[in-house]
Amino acid sequence: DIQMTQSPSSVSASVGDRVTITCRASQGIATWLAWYQQKPGKAPKLLIYGASDLQSGVPSRFSGTGSGTDFTLTISSLQPEDSATYYCQQASSFPPTFGPGTKMDIK
Amino acid sequence: QVQLVQSGTEVKRPGASVKVSCKTSGYTFSNSGISWVRQAPGQGLEWMGWINTYNGNTNYAQNIQGRVTMTTDTSTTTVYMDLRSLTSDDTAVYYCARATNWNYALSHWGQGTLVIVSS
Repeated sequence: DIQMTQSPSSVSASVGDRVTITCRASQGIATWLAWYQQKPGKAPKLLIYGASDLQSGVPSRFSGTGSGTDFTLTISSLQPEDSATYYCQQASSFPPTFGPGTKMDIK
Repeated sequence: QVQLVQSGTEVKRPGASVKVSCKTSGYTFSNSGISWVRQAPGQGLEWMGWINTYNGNTNYAQNIQGRVTMTTDTSTTTVYMDLRSLTSDDTAVYYCARATNWNYALSHWGQGTLVIVSS
């Protein structure tokens, strides 16, 4: 199975900050990568698919880049409602696998 | 709008089975499959499998193959996930999610079903 790692495991930032989360795959996955946001007690929500395509309805402050093994999720101007855990997921190789998550707190 | 509504909390004894339902609406049922993902308490997300709602074909994660069965009822646009021989390690929130194929992003999610396995 392809292993996904994320860094940092947790981050604390202020409203208005630019924040970047990194996801790395154990082998190349082209752009078969998605990002999800999960708030406590809620189901995950799709933010980005195909490494860089913004899901309909997701604010444009979220963006994704990368291909191969290294990917980033960037929030250009952090908002209070962005406090959540963020997961990356690869779907290049069966079975799909998720990263361990990055917990984002607002200072 | 697309909606996935799951059945309620289940409490099971070790060795028992559980069947979780996922009622879909707001889109053409046969055009998009359903994946199941679970999340143990305080842990990350684990992909379990995917079912093609057009023909019923399935793909299961190897670690649960043999214990899981995913089925569909096209008359009610509902998908079911049956997990057998439960252990405490199966205690988790189980989510269904819409995915065109096993390798597509999970675009819409159910609210989750908590399954507790305890003696």
